[in-house]
Amino acid sequence: DVKVTQSSRYLVKRTGEKVFLECVQDMDHENMFWYRQDPGLGLRLIYFSYDVKMKEKGDIPEGYSVSREKKERFSLILESASTNQTSMYLCASSGGLVSYGYTFGSGTRLTVV
Amino acid sequence: RKEVEQDPGPFNVPEGATVAFNCTYSNSASQSFFWYRQDCRKEPKLLMSVYSSGNEDGRFTAQLNRASQYISLLIRDSKLSDSATYLCVVNEEYGNKLVFGAGTILRVKS
Repeated sequence: DVKVTQSSRYLVKRTGEKVFLECVQDMDHENMFWYRQDPGLGLRLIYFSYDVKMKEKGDIPEGYSVSREKKERFSLILESASTNQTSMYLCASSGGLVSYGYTFGSGTRLTVV
Repeated sequence: RKEVEQDPGPFNVPEGATVAFNCTYSNSASQSFFWYRQDCRKEPKLLMSVYSSGNEDGRFTAQLNRASQYISLLIRDSKLSDSATYLCVVNEEYGNKLVFGAGTILRVKS
C-alpha cells in the first residue's frame, strides 16, 4: 500500500510564527498535493506539484508556500501563521494517472493562537 | 456554482436500511469519478471508483449518468460502521487534479 506520512498529527503555533508541515510518500509518485479542510467548506487545494522543484498554485495559495526538493517530499510553509489558518491540513499523492485517485496522509490539525 | 455539489445531510438511517447519495458535477469533460469515505477526524480514503456502466462492490453500488452529470452511491444493508462522511470526487478537465465535494454525512443507528 502507498503510504503518505505527515510529520505531525497536532500542532499549536503562535500568530506570526513560520510553520513547516512535512509530507513524505514512499511510492515514487509524481504528483503531490496540499489541501486544507474546514467544516462546511470541504477540501480546498492550496498547492500542488507534478515533479521535483515544480509547484503550482491551487485555489487558496495566499499565505502559503511549498517546497519540493526531492520527489518523495512535499513541504507546506506558512510564512507568518495567522488564526484564520487554523485548520486540518491534508497531504495527498498520486501516480501518473488521476484515474487511480489520491492517497492521503493522516492529516495535521494546526491551531494558531 | 460549485464544481461538485452534494447534499450535506446528515442522513440518519437505521441499521439494515438502504440509503442513496447523489452528487452533481459541473465539468462535462470530467473523465474520472470516485467516492471517498472520511471518518471523523481521519483522512479521506478511496471507497470506489465510478465507471460509466455502473459498478458494485459488495453492499455498495455506484452509478454515473454523464448526460445529467450526476453520480450516485447506494449502500444496502447499512451497518453501524458505515457511519462516515462520503465525498464525491471528479477530475478537472486538464492535469491530474481532483475536485472534492463537501461531503454527505451518514449516521447509521441501531
